[in-house]
Formats: sequence, C-alpha cells, structure tokens
Amino acid sequence: EVQLVQSGAEVKKPGATVKISCRLSGDTFIDFYTHWVQQAPGKGLEWMGLVDPEDGETVYTEKFRGRVTMTADTSTDIVYMELSSLRSEDTAMYYCVSLPKRGGALFWGQGTLVTVSS
Amino acid sequence: DIQMTQSPSSLSASVGDRVTITCRASQRISNSLAWFQQKPGKAPRALIYSASRLQSGVPSKFSGSGSGTHFTLTISSLQPEDFATYYCQQYDTYRISFGGGTRVEIK
Repeated sequence: EVQLVQSGAEVKKPGATVKISCRLSGDTFIDFYTHWVQQAPGKGLEWMGLVDPEDGETVYTEKFRGRVTMTADTSTDIVYMELSSLRSEDTAMYYCVSLPKRGGALFWGQGTLVTVSS
Repeated sequence: DIQMTQSPSSLSASVGDRVTITCRASQRISNSLAWFQQKPGKAPRALIYSASRLQSGVPSKFSGSGSGTHFTLTISSLQPEDFATYYCQQYDTYRISFGGGTRVEIK
C-alpha cells in the first residue's frame, strides 16, 4: 500500500524559508498528483497547491502564490514544498496528500509542524 | 472554486448509535468525494474515496453514498474510538477543497 512519509518538525524565524519533504513508497511515483494542505492550530484544512511529478507542473492557490514552490524528484520519489517569507500566521501543520491520476484511493502523510517564532 | 458544506458542524451521540453526516458541493463533482477522520493532534485518516469505496483497512461500519452534489457518511454503530472530527473533501478539480468538519462527541 502507498505510504507517504514527511520530514520532521521545523522551527523558523519570521522571514525565513522552510522546505518540507514527502516521500512516496508502495506505488509508482509519477502516477499520483501530490497536493499540499495547511492546517493552522484549531482550524480547518486549506489547499495550497499541487505538483505533478511526471512533468513538474504545478498549480498554486492565490493565497500562497509567490511564496510557495513545489517540486518533485523522480530519482528519489520525493516531493518538496518550500514556503518563503515566513510569518507567524504560517505556523501550522502541513500535510502532503497523494491522489492517483486514474482514480482510486488517496493517501495522507503524517504531517509536518512548522513553527514560526522570533 | 468548489465550496463544500458539511452538516451538522457538531453532534453528540452515544456508543451504538447510527450517525449520518452530510456534505454538499456547490457544483456537481460526480463521485470525486472522500471522507476522512481526524483525532486531536493526529494526521487525517482516509476512510472513503470515490464517494462510497472503503480505503484498505477501514472497518465496514463506515459507509459513504451520494453523487453529484449531495453526499453522506454513515457510521452504523458508533464506538468509543470513533469520536473524532470528520471531513469531506472533493477532488473533482485540481483545486481540491474541504468541508468545515463535523465534530462527533460523546453524549
């Protein structure tokens, strides 16, 4: 079965950049779109964007456009999400979610906590 | 963007109760609807995909139905481990979106 394993918690200062990874195992990496979702403390879930590992194409939501970069490394089956110009409001859990291109079950990573604090 | 509206936002139920949660999409999404469970401090656990298909390892007390704009998640007999927040998620378009969640609490 597909497993998504994310990198560990991060603590960053305002203005810094964080880069989180999400490694897919158990199936063919390029057969999935990988999305990133933000969950601020006590809040619901907000879609940030997605990357297609097959060709590197990305779609970002307007809220994060200009600050977020999603990339995929097909040699290691890892997707990365980089968020720059961090501010306190970016303190949140970040999840990767993989959706198969041709239908089927979807899978969540375990989450990565990013804390932005001076 | 597609808006997902869940109801109720919270409910109280007893062990053994049958519970139904509703999710409505602002436009037709075929059967591109997933449900997941989230407990405090934990990652979401996928339960249902394609509106009615159980994810591997999910017990059959969970079931999903619906298509188009109206979907339901039913828990046939609530158990202590089922008290959590449940979310729906549409993935009919690239821009996936989520319902606001339904918190299931012990009566």
